[in-house]
Amino acid sequence: EAGVVQSPRYKIIEKKQPVAFWCNPISGHNTLYWYLQNLGQGPELLIRYENEEAVDDSQLPKDRFSAERLKGVDSTLKIQPAELGDSAVYLCASSFGGAVAFFGQGTRLTVV
Amino acid sequence: EDQVTQSPEALRLQEGESSSLNCSYTVSGLRGLFWYRQDPGKGPEFLFTLYSAGEEKEKERLKATLTKKESFLHITAPKPEDSATYLCAVQAFAGGYQKVTFGTGTKLQVIP
Repeated sequence: EAGVVQSPRYKIIEKKQPVAFWCNPISGHNTLYWYLQNLGQGPELLIRYENEEAVDDSQLPKDRFSAERLKGVDSTLKIQPAELGDSAVYLCASSFGGAVAFFGQGTRLTVV
Repeated sequence: EDQVTQSPEALRLQEGESSSLNCSYTVSGLRGLFWYRQDPGKGPEFLFTLYSAGEEKEKERLKATLTKKESFLHITAPKPEDSATYLCAVQAFAGGYQKVTFGTGTKLQVIP
């Protein structure tokens, strides 16, 4: 069974440019999470979806970050415009019914 | 506010030298405690879920235990391939929905 798939794996952009990350969760998982992980830190939740609905986006910086989950499957996380402080690893995870979350490999973003 | 504290931050062991990692937590309405392993450049990999005090889970050289205030990940006779960062996370109810809070991890290095 395929795990959580994320793309791209790496992205380098200049500050003020837009960037988007894509996630395909494990088949049948209705809950999808986007996490941010800084070096030496644990993952921090950005947004959580139950099917198509964003049920927890309290930590998402809404002035520059946006996310969508069309048809309750794939999801896209966007940053516009990117800032130097956005450099981090962006992790996607999925679970069934809010149980154990399984993570993708992550996208390492570098803003220069 | 839910808090998860892991100690030590880093641990260096000789191959075969058993030890324990600690995860202490402050949370109301604990639903579950998770242990993950994270290798450099990869997403967290699920190891165990513990739900109630007194529960224990084992997998190869790893054994996780849970009390009302903390969890331990015991590593027996570790091998170099056990080198990784071990993350602890707690799941609890907050504001009518489930929330997962991660610790900052313990970086384990096992020397041959």
